[in-house]
Amino acid sequence: DTEVTQTPKHLVMGMTNKKSLKCEQHMGHRAMYWYKQKAKKPPELMFVYSYEKLSINESVPSRFSPECPNSSLLNLHLHALQPEDSALYLCASSQDQTGFGTDTQYFGPGTRLTVL
Amino acid sequence: GQSLEQPSEVTAVEGAIVQINCTYQTSGFYGLSWYQQHDGGAPTFLSYNALDGLEETGRFSSFLSRSDSYGYLLLQELQMKDSASYFCAVAGLWNRDDKIIFGKGTRLHILP
Repeated sequence: DTEVTQTPKHLVMGMTNKKSLKCEQHMGHRAMYWYKQKAKKPPELMFVYSYEKLSINESVPSRFSPECPNSSLLNLHLHALQPEDSALYLCASSQDQTGFGTDTQYFGPGTRLTVL
Repeated sequence: GQSLEQPSEVTAVEGAIVQINCTYQTSGFYGLSWYQQHDGGAPTFLSYNALDGLEETGRFSSFLSRSDSYGYLLLQELQMKDSASYFCAVAGLWNRDDKIIFGKGTRLHILP
């Protein structure tokens, strides 16, 4: 099973809402990633978890809060977002024994987020 | 600063060969990856080069020259389904302040 699943597929929220994005993988991968991607732009790394610990936080605003409850799950909690946060949010996982991005990254289908 | 440069668009004919180049400037470098992304889809990993030379996987090959800070993705026997965006990305080590960075992407157009 080389699948990374993400829920929901689409999400529309107001600026005062609190919502969560979920990601799950059952490949035994040690690293899990959150990316943000705007239309016609490359993915931008947000967070990396390695062995369920936050290893990289790319200076993401605090209105985005990641959580890794266990080795298979990754959440992204959203609160008080802005319209410019509307984007495709991608989750990925990989084995990455020595470093990040050094091994095959498996991406989920993404959650398309619209902030009104 | 850190940057990756790749052409914004490339056009080729079905059945032909196309090369997508990527040059990079990074403070720490461990390897170069390539990803394919179709419109509306998620990125798909294609290849990873940590050492100089050519890596071949079916119709796709990837090359790296660390001394030139340069790599390329070679697509052979182009098919219409290869129409997509292709991103190069640099990798880093866990115990250093390296960053994973994607290039801006190359949009590949395939003509029949």
